Amino acid sequence: GDSVTQMEGPVTLSEEAFLTINCTYTATGYPSLFWYVQYPGEGLQLLLKATKADDKGSNKGFEATYRKETTSFHLEKGSVQVSDSAVYFCALTSLMDSSYKLIFGSGTRLLVRP
Amino acid sequence: DGGITQSPKYLFRKEGQNVTLSCEQNLNHDAMYWYRQDPGQGLRLIYYSQIVNDFQKGDIAEGYSVSREKKESFPLTVTSAQKNPTAFYLCASSKRTGGSGANVLTFGAGSRLTVL
Repeated sequence: GDSVTQMEGPVTLSEEAFLTINCTYTATGYPSLFWYVQYPGEGLQLLLKATKADDKGSNKGFEATYRKETTSFHLEKGSVQVSDSAVYFCALTSLMDSSYKLIFGSGTRLLVRP
Repeated sequence: DGGITQSPKYLFRKEGQNVTLSCEQNLNHDAMYWYRQDPGQGLRLIYYSQIVNDFQKGDIAEGYSVSREKKESFPLTVTSAQKNPTAFYLCASSKRTGGSGANVLTFGAGSRLTVL
């Protein structure tokens, strides 16, 4: 079945460091891909998305490119801030049935130190 | 502002009791979902509903029940049959996008259930 694999955390960085969180997927067809962010004690918020190969999603300085050839959707940010500390989830829209339900990775916790 | 409201935010339950978690949305979304989140794990789908009076089991439906009598409401009941109910429960909704597949979910703030 469809699945998403993320790098394990926690990822600990100093402020202004470069961030990469790896995400790879296994899926039937060409799913849409997403990054969601979860701040402590809250629900998930959509960070960015890409719906077809070579699309680049971007928001708040974060970017991710839909790479069909490597089945990847790595999240990057050039300079992280303390306020970016959160858990980041990679997800895809399963096309296996008509539900279009999201399948999530296990999440990667990011801690940014001042 | 439109959004999803989950209640209660925190809930404690004794073993053998059923509890119901509320989820209400005013986004006019067609589809609604319940996910369970455990520490260090991703979100797992419990139930989803694409239309009023219809719902489907997700990956971990055993021990849970739902209803969808109104478009804006999708309550989840955690029954005594659920062996390990302590978790963070997230409700979400989406506007059905037909064949595009870009199904963007909007999430509520979650309900944390603890079994004593």
